[in-house]
Amino acid sequence: GAGVSQSPRYKVAKRGQDVALRCDPISGHVSLFWYQQALGQGPEFLTYFQNEAQLDKSGLPSDRFFAERPEGSVSTLKIQRTQQEDSAVYLCASSLWSGPSGNTIYFGEGSWLTVV
Amino acid sequence: AQTVTQSQPEMSVQEAETVTLSCTYDTSESDYYLFWYKQPPSRQMILVIRQEAYKQQNATENRFSVNFQKAAKSFSLKISDSQLGDAAMYFCAYRGDSNYQLIWGAGTKLIIKP
Repeated sequence: GAGVSQSPRYKVAKRGQDVALRCDPISGHVSLFWYQQALGQGPEFLTYFQNEAQLDKSGLPSDRFFAERPEGSVSTLKIQRTQQEDSAVYLCASSLWSGPSGNTIYFGEGSWLTVV
Repeated sequence: AQTVTQSQPEMSVQEAETVTLSCTYDTSESDYYLFWYKQPPSRQMILVIRQEAYKQQNATENRFSVNFQKAAKSFSLKISDSQLGDAAMYFCAYRGDSNYQLIWGAGTKLIIKP
């Protein structure tokens, strides 16, 4: 596609419910990132994929968070047993290759999660 | 660990005037990249300008320019001829040359007064 696409754009979940957030990166992009952005703050890194390999998941806040990218394109971020502190915008980003040098990162519009 | 600090939670400027947003960072790396991103209410992060640390010349993109002071670890954004469409959150971000993570500041809300 022309840009990074995320769905759903808005999700209201009841506390304890499981949610799945989808990211469709720009076609051909090797690298894919997930960030969490709480209200009034900058984004915080969650996890990084290079093709289908999850090379870094150090930012995932708990074992309730799980991300996958099985075929090296679309990625899903799953949150189990949602808590109110999970309420945030979840930003997905992709870049053409894996090296950081000269590598522009493109962001989607985010998935707004509200846990009630 | 690297950190990025934006000390101005909010700035306002009259339309057509110039405004400067501040950013400082802390790192022990010698090679890195610095970015300014714009985030409108839609929440999509849009790259405004980037600076490679090894370049002495300040980056410029149309009305947007930076003042990069490597020794002082300062990276400010100047917006000239401010337009109503410039109103947004502005985030400063850092990326090490050997890393893929972006380290973000807390953001500055820019208000444009007509």
